[in-house]
Amino acid sequence: DAKTTQPPSMDCAEGRAANLPCNHSTISGNEYVYWYRQIHSQGPQYIIHGLKNNETNEMASLIITEDRKSSTLILPHATLRDTAVYYCIVRSGNTPLVFGKGTRLSVIA
Amino acid sequence: DAGVIQSPRHEVTEMGQEVTLRCKPISGHDYLFWYRQTMMRGLELLIYFNNNVPIDDSGMPEDRFSAKMPNASFSTLKIQPSEPRDSAVYFCASSLLGVREQYFGPGTRLTVT
Repeated sequence: DAKTTQPPSMDCAEGRAANLPCNHSTISGNEYVYWYRQIHSQGPQYIIHGLKNNETNEMASLIITEDRKSSTLILPHATLRDTAVYYCIVRSGNTPLVFGKGTRLSVIA
Repeated sequence: DAGVIQSPRHEVTEMGQEVTLRCKPISGHDYLFWYRQTMMRGLELLIYFNNNVPIDDSGMPEDRFSAKMPNASFSTLKIQPSEPRDSAVYFCASSLLGVREQYFGPGTRLTVT
């Protein structure tokens, strides 16, 4: 079973920041937090990952709480193309990804 | 790089027939994963390989499913005989030790009638 909890769905207005929360209260010290997304009819796509520090790349920012029990993925300026299911996954090493149900993000014009 | 390549993209077959799905990982990657996605069960891991050796096949549903990786650039997932409940999208992914991202292929949509 997935070790994360995410809201099933969220809406976001186009151009606004999308903040997607994830709870991972049982995360262990060597586990990273990963975010993937799956746009309709496509394979999952890697977004970002982090251990304990906040991370930013060209796609998104990842904010991890100090106790590492939760995190937030931030899409700074959501577009219609960001409509997808977003998966938060905790994982160590090169172990396989365990996908939960994710959050279905709908970006609305 | 062309990314992970899967073929065919769509497969429609009749119950009882053999189905073979193919995957070409990204060149140089040493991990290969097979996932299956259905509405009911979501995305689930079937099997994964490291350096062409199967590491964990506990997700393979039953003996009708088999996977091979004869070399670093090719893997197959075979279902024999196929059943309607095998209808799903099958994804292949690859990754490189020390690089944490997995790269997914476009998937094969299998329909068993």
